[in-house]
Amino acid sequence: NAGVTQTPKFQVLKTGQSMTLQCAQDMNHEYMSWYRQDPGMGLRLIHYSVGAGITDQGEVPNGYNVSRSTTEDFPLRLLSAAPSQTSVYFCASSYSDYYGYTFGSGTRLTVV
Amino acid sequence: EDQVTQSPEALRLQEGESSSLNCSYTVSGLRGLFWYRQDPGKGPEFLFTLYSAGEEKEKERLKATLTKKESFLHITAPKPEDSATYLCAALSGNTGKLIFGQGTTLQVKP
Repeated sequence: NAGVTQTPKFQVLKTGQSMTLQCAQDMNHEYMSWYRQDPGMGLRLIHYSVGAGITDQGEVPNGYNVSRSTTEDFPLRLLSAAPSQTSVYFCASSYSDYYGYTFGSGTRLTVV
Repeated sequence: EDQVTQSPEALRLQEGESSSLNCSYTVSGLRGLFWYRQDPGKGPEFLFTLYSAGEEKEKERLKATLTKKESFLHITAPKPEDSATYLCAALSGNTGKLIFGQGTTLQVKP
């Protein structure tokens, strides 16, 4: 099993560019989430989904969009990249919020 | 506001020197308290879930405990391979959101 796969692993964007961070899981998990991790800030929830077609906002949703058309995939879209979005992004999935999440290996994004 | 605070931020131990990491939480309707281990450049790895005060769970040299206000991760006779950042997270039953603390970075020297 691949678990949670995130692509790309590294990305450099110019301010104002848009891009999509990909996340796929092969464990048939209903719950999926996106977090960003910044030094001294811990992991902060961006958006999450409790199943295909259902998404909701987390703590820091501004500047990001998500959709969940299938159980397996949960892409994160940056609409117009800003330097404040420089961070490491993690996707995670679980059978339920009641159980531990499985995390991907992360995408390190730099916006210049 | 839901909040999770971990202490200390960093901890240096000699191999074999036992200690505890603290996770204090103020979360509405706690449904679960989670502990994760994170190695540099990798995603967090799930360790434990605790669901009610008084509950304890163990895995090798690690033992997690839970009270109504905080959780502890006890590390007994640590080894250098236990060096990592340990994260705790609380699941709010009211909001359904998982809130992470900032982590404790543990370094165990041989």
